[in-house]
Amino acid sequence: AQKVTQAQTEISVVEKEDVTLDCVYETRDTTYYLFWYKQPPSGELVFLIRRNSFDEQNEISGRYSWNFQKSTSSFNFTITASQVVDSAVYFCALNTGRRALTFGSGTRLQVQP
Amino acid sequence: SAVISQKPSRDICQRGTSLTIQCQVDSQVTMMFWYRQQPGQSLTLIATANQGSEATYESGFVIDKFPISRPNLTFSTLTVSNMSPEDSSIYLCSVAGGLNEKLFFGSGTQLSVL
Repeated sequence: AQKVTQAQTEISVVEKEDVTLDCVYETRDTTYYLFWYKQPPSGELVFLIRRNSFDEQNEISGRYSWNFQKSTSSFNFTITASQVVDSAVYFCALNTGRRALTFGSGTRLQVQP
Repeated sequence: SAVISQKPSRDICQRGTSLTIQCQVDSQVTMMFWYRQQPGQSLTLIATANQGSEATYESGFVIDKFPISRPNLTFSTLTVSNMSPEDSSIYLCSVAGGLNEKLFFGSGTQLSVL
């Protein structure tokens, strides 16, 4: 069985603060893929990143960065200098080859001006 | 990439009726997936729609309640049958860009059952 846990239900920060969204996953497979999606108030799901289990390099894309640690089964997402437009629900997801993703429960991020 | 057109975008239905949601993809894909997102909740996989064979349903979802058609590699429908207020959710169609690739999502169908 596979499972994704996002323990933070809701986070509220003030603009320009840094914020980290936690994601912990469970799987018995040695090959798997981790994803982050953003769901803004408009409702569409926006793909942010995909990372495979053999690549533990951290990744940075603009104000976004991801920290993948197999030792703790975590794939955390950090937004630096947050902006109001970052307000959304963020989902972490896991794929072990079935092609369908297993999603975490999501973290709602509110960035206050 | 894949562009997914899903319709209707929203509907308000009466208890006991059925609604069919259509999903059209601009390219041929092997698997299509149907997800449900209940209010304020995460996405839950309903079933995988395979072309040329019956859909594969996840635990808690049955074909009688959520019949799925997949007549070709670019189209699928999901029917929500004998609806009750508990079926009020967003229903999303998605396809995989390739093996273990990201999923592309349709814009969703917001269903409200009175």
